[in-house]
Amino acid sequence: ETGVTQTPRHLVMGMTNKKSLKCEQHLGHNAMYWYKQSAKKPLELMFVYSLEERVENNSVPSRFSPECPNSSHLFLHLHTLQPEDSALYLCASSQDQGSNEKLFFGSGTQLSVL
Amino acid sequence: TQLLEQSPQFLSIQEGENLTVYCNSSSVFSSLQWYRQEPGEGPVLLVTVVTGGEVKKLKRLTFQFGDARKDSSLHITAAQPGDTGLYLCAGDDNYGQNFVFGPGTRLSVLP
Repeated sequence: ETGVTQTPRHLVMGMTNKKSLKCEQHLGHNAMYWYKQSAKKPLELMFVYSLEERVENNSVPSRFSPECPNSSHLFLHLHTLQPEDSALYLCASSQDQGSNEKLFFGSGTQLSVL
Repeated sequence: TQLLEQSPQFLSIQEGENLTVYCNSSSVFSSLQWYRQEPGEGPVLLVTVVTGGEVKKLKRLTFQFGDARKDSSLHITAAQPGDTGLYLCAGDDNYGQNFVFGPGTRLSVLP
């Protein structure tokens, strides 16, 4: 298996649930990202990890909690979400962090919050 | 904050037609990237342009970076249904660390 793999592909959760999104990259990259893609806004960067250290948190509400246990895996833990959090959540990786890098995206998790 | 605008927002054309989509900003970028996102998938990088005035070709796709490095265009010749998707441009942020994305142009090529 190659590339960036995200699970689950679809998730429906209530506002009081706790769930986690998983991302795994098989490219040997050092940087991993979480992006949010909603219908009315451009892709929004949520979190950046470089060499397993969080280097950026773009004012994301605390109901989203990332975790990067190693350079190949990235999680996004969700709790007490709001309906407006319904969106496509995309994971990406790049060799290193920086705007000269190429981003490789997973297929995303389509999240619906009821 | 670096902002990117893309036009048109939606475009529906017949197979075989030519089209151009645009990515514009009031900010200067050191580089711009174009991605295509198909339904149900993540974006896939098509090209990176780094030099003002640069033109890159990828089969039927021609990418141009403006001389002032504030804008870019993507021209598709003889569009095919397989070209259908969301075309996103992305530029480096103020700190050169991450990317900012435009809202995209959603292209539909009808057979």
